[in-house]
Amino acid sequence: DAKTTQPPSMDCAEGRAANLPCNHSTISGNEYVYWYRQIHSQGPQYIIHGLKNNETNEMASLIITEDRKSSTLILPHATLRDTAVYYCIVRVMSNQGGKLIFGQGTELSVKP
Amino acid sequence: DAGVTQSPTHLIKTRGQQVTLRCSPKSGHDTVSWYQQALGQGPQFIFQYYEEEERQRGNFPDRFSGHQFPNYSSELNVNALWLGDSALYLCASSPQGRQPQHFGDGTRLSIL
Repeated sequence: DAKTTQPPSMDCAEGRAANLPCNHSTISGNEYVYWYRQIHSQGPQYIIHGLKNNETNEMASLIITEDRKSSTLILPHATLRDTAVYYCIVRVMSNQGGKLIFGQGTELSVKP
Repeated sequence: DAGVTQSPTHLIKTRGQQVTLRCSPKSGHDTVSWYQQALGQGPQFIFQYYEEEERQRGNFPDRFSGHQFPNYSSELNVNALWLGDSALYLCASSPQGRQPQHFGDGTRLSIL
């Protein structure tokens, strides 16, 4: 079973920030939080990951709470092309990392 | 820099047949994982190959087998196909089994 909990769906207006929450209350100390998204008919696309500090890249920002039990993925200026299913996954980074366990994800709809 | 490539993109088979799907990993990646994604579900891990050996396996029957070649490319073989094998089959690659994994756009397999 997935170790994360996400809302099944969310809406966001185009040009506004999209904030996607994820609960991972049983996360272990050596597990990272990874975010992927899957646009219809494509494979999952890696977005960002973090351990305990907030992270930012050209796609998104990741905010992890101090107790590491939850996180939020932020798309600062959502566009219609950001409509996708977003998956939050916790996993170790080492070469014992192996499989990714996907939950149902959050279906984000960006509306004009 | 080519990403993960999979072939074919679509395939139609009948019950009882066997199928071989192919994957070329992203340049610089030596570890390949395979996932099955049924309609409306998140991807499920099948197995992972590293150094031409199966390193980790998910909850899939022996009808699912794989191979990794010296150039790191990989094949997924499924025997005795049945209707429930209809799905999107995704290949992901990473360096030395570490995260994050990078996905191809998959092979859509339909069983009639």
